[in-house]
Amino acid sequence: RKEVEQDPGPFNVPEGATVAFNCTYSNSASQSFFWYRQDCRKEPKLLMSVYSSGNEDGRFTAQLNRASQYISLLIRDSKLSDSATYLCAVRKGYSTLTFGKGTMLLVSP
Amino acid sequence: DTGVSQDPRHKITKRGQNVTFRCDPISEHNRLYWYRQTLGQGPEFLTYFQNEAQLEKSRLLSDRFSAERPKGSFSTLEIQRTEQGDSAMYLCASSPRPGLAGVGAQYFGPGTRLLVL
Repeated sequence: RKEVEQDPGPFNVPEGATVAFNCTYSNSASQSFFWYRQDCRKEPKLLMSVYSSGNEDGRFTAQLNRASQYISLLIRDSKLSDSATYLCAVRKGYSTLTFGKGTMLLVSP
Repeated sequence: DTGVSQDPRHKITKRGQNVTFRCDPISEHNRLYWYRQTLGQGPEFLTYFQNEAQLEKSRLLSDRFSAERPKGSFSTLEIQRTEQGDSAMYLCASSPRPGLAGVGAQYFGPGTRLLVL
């Protein structure tokens, strides 16, 4: 089983739709969780950290389920500019991040 | 611009040549990471520095790869005797020391895209 798994997509949604991505992780000792956004041929940019109680940043909501070992990202009212690949990343302690392969989102007019 | 910077942004080289990449982290960040990313994959960890100490290396980092961070500021990644399989985006990231805001998250530079012919 891969350490971090994501559905590669693509998820094709119309503008204004709500879309959710899940990411599962295998290491129960993982302590920190993040969502990154990556545009084509660009570097990953931090979208949000994921906290145990869940957290929201505008149209984006992140949730953590430690029992089932997954994190989720919900995007409400999708915009064309949300089209990108969304990478989840997990970390144990202060060491490195382990990334999933990413989920591609395409928002159409 | 106070973000992570990398140089060069693109590098084309012939198989067997050596290449060196540079990364300048965000100034107050003491941790620096190198990752490699190929098409359709997430970034894969290569190595990690805390100040000038190299604390962790991935088994992906073969003997042909070496990284340094001599003064705890910028870092270099050298690949000797490049192979076509080394073609990838090489990403550098930095993160602040514990206790500072944003701890845990890593902030990436624009990457160096390497093509080995």
